[in-house]
Amino acid sequence: GAVVSQHPSRVICKSGTSVKIECRSLDFQATTMFWYRQFPKQSLMLMATSNEGSKATYEQGVEKDKFLINHASLTLSTLTVTSAHPEDSSFYICSARRGSGGASWETQYFGPGTRLLVL
Amino acid sequence: DAKTTQPTSMDCAEGRAANLPCNHSTISGNEYVYWYRQIHSQGPQYIIHGLKNNETNEMASLIITEDRKSSTLILPHATLRDTAVYYCIVRVEEYGNKLVFGAGTILRVKS
Repeated sequence: GAVVSQHPSRVICKSGTSVKIECRSLDFQATTMFWYRQFPKQSLMLMATSNEGSKATYEQGVEKDKFLINHASLTLSTLTVTSAHPEDSSFYICSARRGSGGASWETQYFGPGTRLLVL
Repeated sequence: DAKTTQPTSMDCAEGRAANLPCNHSTISGNEYVYWYRQIHSQGPQYIIHGLKNNETNEMASLIITEDRKSSTLILPHATLRDTAVYYCIVRVEEYGNKLVFGAGTILRVKS
């Protein structure tokens, strides 16, 4: 099966600092990766779509200058939460789409998530 | 917005089949139905997907009605480890085939 990893799994940081989260597709190449955020007792909310070699596309209401996304290779995307504040504390989950055509049958696989706590 | 409607929660006895319904009455002809589940504090796990025909894999079966307006995910022999939130998602082409999650169904498997 397709495997997506995230690092770190858990991070605690001080308010005002930046945190980088890595997402890797381990056994397939992913032209497109996605970043989601999940608050307690809520569903996943899509933050942005990341395409290899191009700028990310952010969903409405997501600050692109606060959540920096880089998709430098076909197996790695990073999310940097800049100047983190307590309200950014959440469960961040990445997903990689297997395939390159963006067709509706191409399956997305999810990472295990990163729990961020900002003090 | 999610294009699907699912019951908020369901209970199932261990060892019995779990049948999780999903309504997607506005689905278009070329939009796939995907099922994922999320066990507490983990990332979603892919289960199965389908377009028109019924599908089966090692995890589950997906039954799609002929008019494609609803589907049912079947876990043939539920175990306690199947307790999770199950999401039925329609991949919408006009939204770039992104997966938009609804609230899902909380399935509780009980011994």
